[in-house]
Amino acid sequence: NAGVTQTPKFRVLKTGQSMTLLCAQDMNHEYMYWYRQDPGMGLRLIHYSVGEGTTAKGEVPDGYNVSRLKKQNFLLGLESAAPSQTSVYFCASGDRGYNEQFFGPGTRLTVL
Amino acid sequence: AQSVTQLDSHVSVSEGTPVLLRCNYSSSYSPSLFWYVQHPNKGLQLLLKYTSAATLVKGINGFEAEFKKSETSFHLTKPSAHMSDAAEYFCVSHLDSSYKLIFGSGTRLLVRP
Repeated sequence: NAGVTQTPKFRVLKTGQSMTLLCAQDMNHEYMYWYRQDPGMGLRLIHYSVGEGTTAKGEVPDGYNVSRLKKQNFLLGLESAAPSQTSVYFCASGDRGYNEQFFGPGTRLTVL
Repeated sequence: AQSVTQLDSHVSVSEGTPVLLRCNYSSSYSPSLFWYVQHPNKGLQLLLKYTSAATLVKGINGFEAEFKKSETSFHLTKPSAHMSDAAEYFCVSHLDSSYKLIFGSGTRLLVRP
């Protein structure tokens, strides 16, 4: 059981470049989430999904897009990267109801 | 609106002494509450959770937390700190009527030899 995995672990982009972060979970969870973590600001929700084929905006969705074509995968896209998107990105998944979320190891992204 | 307040941004203890990390929540009803730990350059790991069963919750690595509704608190404790406990700890609640989490701002625990 790998849990929640994220690809890649590190990435450096130039301003204006695009990229996709991949999250995969093998726990058959319905819900999946993308967060960003910045110093002094804790974790902030970017987008989330409550099931295959669904997505919704979180607190800080601007500049990001997501897709959930398969239940086990949740993709986060940056169409035109900006230095303000330099951050550590975490994916999480969870069951229905008020249960805990399980987090991936994170992707450290630097935008120059 | 629901919120989670971690009362200390940094806590420093000596190895072998007790740990207390404080958390208060605000909610219109009893929420689900969690403590997560994040070691440097790692993801978040669940320490323990409260979901309206026993008010004293035991977690991994000797940590426990007590849910006190009258005080709206969910403080994390450990009788004896170990060097490996040095990390950042997040108190987390479920948003009312939702599946989204509300994070506290985190408490960085330093353990002195």
